[in-house]
Amino acid sequence: GNSVTQMEGPVTLSEEAFLTINCTYTATGYPSLFWYVQYPGEGLQLLLKATKADDKGSNKGFEATYRKETTSFHLEKGSVQVSDSAVYFCALSGDNFNKFYFGSGTKLNVKP
Amino acid sequence: NAGVTQTPKFQVLKTGQSMTLQCAQDMNHEYMSWYRQDPGMGLRLIHYSVGAGITDQGEVPNGYNVSRSTTEDFPLRLLSAAPSQTSVYFCASSYSFPQGTVGSPLHFGNGTRLTVT
Repeated sequence: GNSVTQMEGPVTLSEEAFLTINCTYTATGYPSLFWYVQYPGEGLQLLLKATKADDKGSNKGFEATYRKETTSFHLEKGSVQVSDSAVYFCALSGDNFNKFYFGSGTKLNVKP
Repeated sequence: NAGVTQTPKFQVLKTGQSMTLQCAQDMNHEYMSWYRQDPGMGLRLIHYSVGAGITDQGEVPNGYNVSRSTTEDFPLRLLSAAPSQTSVYFCASSYSFPQGTVGSPLHFGNGTRLTVT
């Protein structure tokens, strides 16, 4: 079956530090992979996505590369800001592309 | 565009009461869904719909009912609230086949925080 595993948080970093949030998946077929971000009191917003192996999704300085050989889609940012403090969710959609599977979320705290 | 709109934002119920959480979208999405978010458990799918008149169960459907009479609206009904239903509820929508393509993202509302005492 399909599932997503991401690193537990919270992750606490100082401003301008490098960020990595690990995400691995199990899927049949050729899933699409997503990162969503949730700011306090809000719904989830799409941050970036990749739809095939070796694709790199990027947005707002965040990047993630679809690695089929390691079944991973790790989220990275070179220099985090206080405003990046949020909960980050890794997700996949399978061959039935409306059906999404979410990881449990990783809370990021960035201190000034 | 408003996107996905959920009402109310907050609700407190007593055990055994019923209520309806409203969800509306203005993006002409065929696919709509309800999730609940609990600490440490991520998002769990309650019910979903691929078009007007069509609904199906997700991962945790017990205690919830849905209907889809129009493309725009997808209300979630709690028939007899229980403390275990205390959660944050999110409605989400997306294009469905053949409107959408591989990689079509889900669009979320801002959630309803429900407390059952």
